[in-house]
Amino acid sequence: SQKIEQNSEALNIQEGKTATLTCNYTNYSPAYLQWYRQDPGRGPVFLLLIRENEKEKRKERLKVTFDTTLKQSLFHITASQPADSATYLCAQSSSNTGKLIFGQGTTLQVKP
Amino acid sequence: NAGVTQTPKFQVLKTGQSMTLQCAQDMNHNSMYWYRQDPGMGLRLIYYSASEGTTDKGEVPNGYNVSRLNKREFSLRLESAAPSQTSVYFCAGKTKDRGTDTQYFGPGTRLTVL
Repeated sequence: SQKIEQNSEALNIQEGKTATLTCNYTNYSPAYLQWYRQDPGRGPVFLLLIRENEKEKRKERLKVTFDTTLKQSLFHITASQPADSATYLCAQSSSNTGKLIFGQGTTLQVKP
Repeated sequence: NAGVTQTPKFQVLKTGQSMTLQCAQDMNHNSMYWYRQDPGMGLRLIYYSASEGTTDKGEVPNGYNVSRLNKREFSLRLESAAPSQTSVYFCAGKTKDRGTDTQYFGPGTRLTVL
């Protein structure tokens, strides 16, 4: 069955640096991948979507890449700030019903 | 717009008790979903409703039932709670935007079963 894998270890970086989070998928290449942000005690919030035929997508300080050869998506936050500290979830749609398969998330901690 | 709302925010149950988690949305979503989130496990789909009047099982449906009361409301029922159902439960609605599926989540219900 399809799986989404994210690094479960927390990522700690210094303010101002670029944070890079990894999402790997098994088996088939999804039509698109989504990235969500989750703060403690809150529900996930949609950030970005990248389609299979897009190599890169940007939104302000966020950048997402999609490499179908490596079966991987990278999520970058440039000029990171302590306010970027959160858990970031990668997800793919599994069928026409709109069901999403989520990775377990990677927690990012940006230190001032 | 309130978006997706869930009640209650917190609940403690004893083993064997029953309860219903409520979810409502005012975003005109056709599809709605119930997930549970456990440490290290990520979000797992319990049940979903692709449209009003239909419901289907997700990855972990055992011990749960759902009702899509109308387009706005999608409830999750635990008939006989077990400690393994201690978790944080999220409801979500889906909007199809340019052929993609973006989900909008509620704030969650933290459930403890003793």
